[in-house]
Amino acid sequence: EIVMTQSPATLSVSPGERATLSCRASQSVSSNLAWYQQKPGQAPRLLIYGASTRATGIPARFSGSGSGTEFTLTISSLQSEDFAVYYCQQYNNWPRTFGGGTKVEIK
Amino acid sequence: EVQLLESGGGLVQPGGSLRLSCAASGFTFSSYAMSWVRQAPGKGLEWVSAISGSGGSTYYADSVKGRFTISRDNSKNTLYLQMNSLRAEDTAVYYCAKDALYVPSIAAAGNWFDPWGQGTLVTVSS
Repeated sequence: EIVMTQSPATLSVSPGERATLSCRASQSVSSNLAWYQQKPGQAPRLLIYGASTRATGIPARFSGSGSGTEFTLTISSLQSEDFAVYYCQQYNNWPRTFGGGTKVEIK
Repeated sequence: EVQLLESGGGLVQPGGSLRLSCAASGFTFSSYAMSWVRQAPGKGLEWVSAISGSGGSTYYADSVKGRFTISRDNSKNTLYLQMNSLRAEDTAVYYCAKDALYVPSIAAAGNWFDPWGQGTLVTVSS
């Protein structure tokens, strides 16, 4: 099983600042990586797939990069609605596995 | 618009059984693999099980293998999860999720989840 490790667990950021979230895979997943956003009481929402392709309707301030074992989600200028938990997920191998999440909170 | 609506959650005693349902609409249900993903209270996401569009292929997480059974009725556009021998650690919100892309086989894992249902809470407690 591929283990996905996200860091940091919590990120405190002021509105308007940049947030950089990391995700590491225990073995290469090529570019088969997705990012999801989850707000309290809501289901996860797809942000990024293929490591760097934004899903439909996702603002351009969200960007993904990386391949192999190291991935990054960047939110260029945090808006109030972006404070949430973010999960990475690999879909290169079964079982599909998630990282433990990064909570982005208001500083 | 794609919609996924889970139901069937509730309180069950350890060792008991429960069947979850996920009613799908807005897409050709039989063309897409579907999964169940769960989230324990205050915890992260855990993929539980997946089934191909035809229902002929299924996959399970080790944590539920032998206890849970995923199935689908394409004539009713409905996904199911039969959960037996439930344990306290199965307590979670259970989401159904659609594979984003049509693929002829799910033997290769390569697909992400989009969209997700709103979830149904399963509580295993005496």
